[in-house]
Amino acid sequence: GIQVEQSPPDLILQEGANSTLRCNFSDSVNNLQWFHQNPWGQLINLFYIPSGTKQNGRLSATTVATERYSLLYISSSQTTDSGVYFCAGSGGSNYKLTFGKGTLLTVNP
Amino acid sequence: GAVVSQHPSRVICKSGTSVKIECRSLDFQATTMFWYRQFPKQSLMLMATSNEGSKATYEQGVEKDKFLINHASLTLSTLTVTSAHPEDSSFYICSATPVNTEAFFGQGTRLTVV
Repeated sequence: GIQVEQSPPDLILQEGANSTLRCNFSDSVNNLQWFHQNPWGQLINLFYIPSGTKQNGRLSATTVATERYSLLYISSSQTTDSGVYFCAGSGGSNYKLTFGKGTLLTVNP
Repeated sequence: GAVVSQHPSRVICKSGTSVKIECRSLDFQATTMFWYRQFPKQSLMLMATSNEGSKATYEQGVEKDKFLINHASLTLSTLTVTSAHPEDSSFYICSATPVNTEAFFGQGTRLTVV
């Protein structure tokens, strides 16, 4: 199956800083998503981005499908951005997502 | 986005008892739903694929007799943890996908077996 590698595993920022999270895939994926897991465990959909670039407020994501990686950018970070960020992908037409191990982001005031 | 609702959000049960968790797609039909498990400070691992009207498909290493899955309608899948033991304590979360869009997840269920 697909292997998903996320980096960095941990990231500590001061409020207002920018950051880049990376996700590498061992094989091509047809479905690629970024999530933020809140303190209660719920997964919040950030981006569905099998290819290309998308932006939503202070967050943006880019996937280079031919090179099998995706990047999540967080600009002007806020303390509320803290939490675990996961990327996940699947090949074929199914949505059996394989998750990376996540990046634990801590934004300090 | 689409809404997937999971119930209960938290449950504590005694060792040896069974617990049922429900996953509902509220505003779309889902012929397939997925169940994941997450241990503390770890990632989500796929347990099984729930198929409406047919048997679930389990990932390698997941005991199908312990984790019973029923997908009786296009909007409801249930996961029953049978004869639960403390090592089954975990966060269980389901997902479903409207046609040709992204996957959406329920709120998750935190199971504690005492």
